[in-house]
Amino acid sequence: AQKITQTQPGMFVQEKEAVTLDCTYDTSDQSYGLFWYKQPSSGEMIFLIYQGSYDEQNATEGRYSLNFQKARKSANLVISASQLGDSAMYFCAMREGRRSSGSARQLTFGSGTQLTVLP
Amino acid sequence: DTGVSQDPRHKITKRGQNVTFRCDPISEHNRLYWYRQTLGQGPEFLTYFQNEAQLEKSRLLSDRFSAERPKGSFSTLEIQRTEQGDSAMYLCASSLMGDYGYTFGSGTRLTVV
Repeated sequence: AQKITQTQPGMFVQEKEAVTLDCTYDTSDQSYGLFWYKQPSSGEMIFLIYQGSYDEQNATEGRYSLNFQKARKSANLVISASQLGDSAMYFCAMREGRRSSGSARQLTFGSGTQLTVLP
Repeated sequence: DTGVSQDPRHKITKRGQNVTFRCDPISEHNRLYWYRQTLGQGPEFLTYFQNEAQLEKSRLLSDRFSAERPKGSFSTLEIQRTEQGDSAMYLCASSLMGDYGYTFGSGTRLTVV
């Protein structure tokens, strides 16, 4: 079963509007972290926002906020006031594993959503 | 510190040749990860180092792949006898204790012709 599901291969949004990118996850761990990354056409993965499974408040970073609904296992990214420079691929990722010296705690990524901001 | 550096940025090679990529992590990060990203997909975990020890390898890492991290600093990923299916972006990431701060490099894009 897929651990991270992003059901929107592509999304369009008008400049200055808000957009929500969907992400659902599957884990049996109690402790986990959820990440969103932006990947422009140049290829680098740019960290946007992080939500820990025990965090009670939804994470916010500038124009980015994470709508975390633990019972539904969803972690949607909300981008407010979209800008042309927001056009990129967006990935949701999850980190599982206990914090022990040998545990890899690698990130598992979804398949991404291509966001296009229209002028 | 300028972040995670990867070299080269692009590599075109003929099928059957060997290639080696290098990753220089953030200096104080003890954990280093290699991922592979094929077109239209998210990155997939290949292997992980804690300091100089390679502690985990994915099933994706066939016998033709080998990674090293001598002295716990930079890392190399070698692919022997490349195949067209190896064409992908190879991303390196580093972190301190695998917590919050995973930093990715810009990747090496490999094309096997």
